[in-house]
Amino acid sequence: DIQMTQSPSSLSASVGDRVTITCRASQNIISFLNWYQHRPGEAPKLLIYAASSLQSGVPSRFSGSGSGTDFTLTISSLQPEDFAVYHCQQSYSLPHTFGQGTKLEIQ
Amino acid sequence: QVYLVESGGGLVKPGGSLRLSCEASGFIFSDYYMSWIRQAPGKGLEWLSHISNSGSVISHADSVKGRFTISRDNAKNSLYLQMNNLRAEDTAVYYCARAVPAGKRGWFDPWGQGTLVTVSS
Repeated sequence: DIQMTQSPSSLSASVGDRVTITCRASQNIISFLNWYQHRPGEAPKLLIYAASSLQSGVPSRFSGSGSGTDFTLTISSLQPEDFAVYHCQQSYSLPHTFGQGTKLEIQ
Repeated sequence: QVYLVESGGGLVKPGGSLRLSCEASGFIFSDYYMSWIRQAPGKGLEWLSHISNSGSVISHADSVKGRFTISRDNAKNSLYLQMNNLRAEDTAVYYCARAVPAGKRGWFDPWGQGTLVTVSS
């Protein structure tokens, strides 16, 4: 199975900050990397697919980059509604695997 | 609007069974692969299984293989997860999700709100 490692596991930041979350795959997954936002009590929401494609309706302050084994999710200017848990997921091979999540908290 | 609504969760004893359902609306259900994903308390997300749009291709994670079975009824726009021989470690919120685009390399969008399964004596 492909292991996905996110860092950091938690992060404190303020409204307006620029934040970067990284995700590393244990083997080459080309660009089969997706990012989700998960707020408590809500359904997880797709933010970025295929490493860098912004899902329709997602604010442009979210961006994704990377290929191969190293990927990043960047939020350019944090808004109050962005405080949530973020998950990366590889869809290169079965079983699809997720990172352990990054909890983004208000500083 | 595309919606997925799970149901069927609850409290079950170890060794027991439960059948989860996921009702889809707002899209042509029979055009898409569907998946089940869970999140145990304090843990990350875990992909469990997927099923092709016709139901002819099925895959399960090793952690549930032989105990859980995914199925679908395209006439009812519904996805199911039959869970047998449940263990305490199966306690989790279970989500259904649509895989986009069709195929096993898709991403998940949207997800349902989830249904809680608690396995305890």
